[in-house]
Amino acid sequence: GAVVSQHPSWVICKSGTSVKIECRSLDFQATTMFWYRQFPKQSLMLMATSNEGSKATYEQGVEKDKFLINHASLTLSTLTVTSAHPEDSSFYICSASSPQVGRFQETQYFGPGTRLLVL
Amino acid sequence: GNSVTQMEGPVTLSEEAFLTINCTYTATGYPSLFWYVQYPGEGLQLLLKATKADDKGSNKGFEATYRKETTSFHLEKGSVQVSDSAVYFCALRNTGNQFYFGTGTSLTVIP
Repeated sequence: GAVVSQHPSWVICKSGTSVKIECRSLDFQATTMFWYRQFPKQSLMLMATSNEGSKATYEQGVEKDKFLINHASLTLSTLTVTSAHPEDSSFYICSASSPQVGRFQETQYFGPGTRLLVL
Repeated sequence: GNSVTQMEGPVTLSEEAFLTINCTYTATGYPSLFWYVQYPGEGLQLLLKATKADDKGSNKGFEATYRKETTSFHLEKGSVQVSDSAVYFCALRNTGNQFYFGTGTSLTVIP
């Protein structure tokens, strides 16, 4: 149990285009989903926290108009990188948790990540 | 504030050697502590966790003890295997359910 998927696993796009990344919890309902960005040989940097049905909370320094997050259901959150530029190239990882539910309390389950390359 | 500091890598060990990866934290309140592992080409996986002081998390031969007095959560394994080669992340979860990660420690185990 506790499987989180991401789609696509990797994407190459032209500068100026928008890219949508999906994050799904496959076997549990995730009240909270997190989006991270991971740079090579560095740790995960939290970008935003999203709770189902409400607006995402962005970390300081993360442009909310650039990285649009939607958490429309308990099993799906999307991250849209708008007008992508080469500096947005990175590894984007989502995670899901459900603090109110049994064994999912206090634990995040991570998706496999999406590698974005903007040319 | 909340932060996690873990020893820098990379770490290279021979098979069956003893492993220690140090992790210390700063936090307000009483955080939960975690070790996550990222195998090559895969996403992060929860390795073990401890939710209160003096708890010991253990899994797959790895263990870590939540030490409040030293604000530490060092990861140990008595005898590493080649299959343990991965990047290990120490993390804390604060009372607001936010996670803070260390920079990761790359471990390579050679036969």
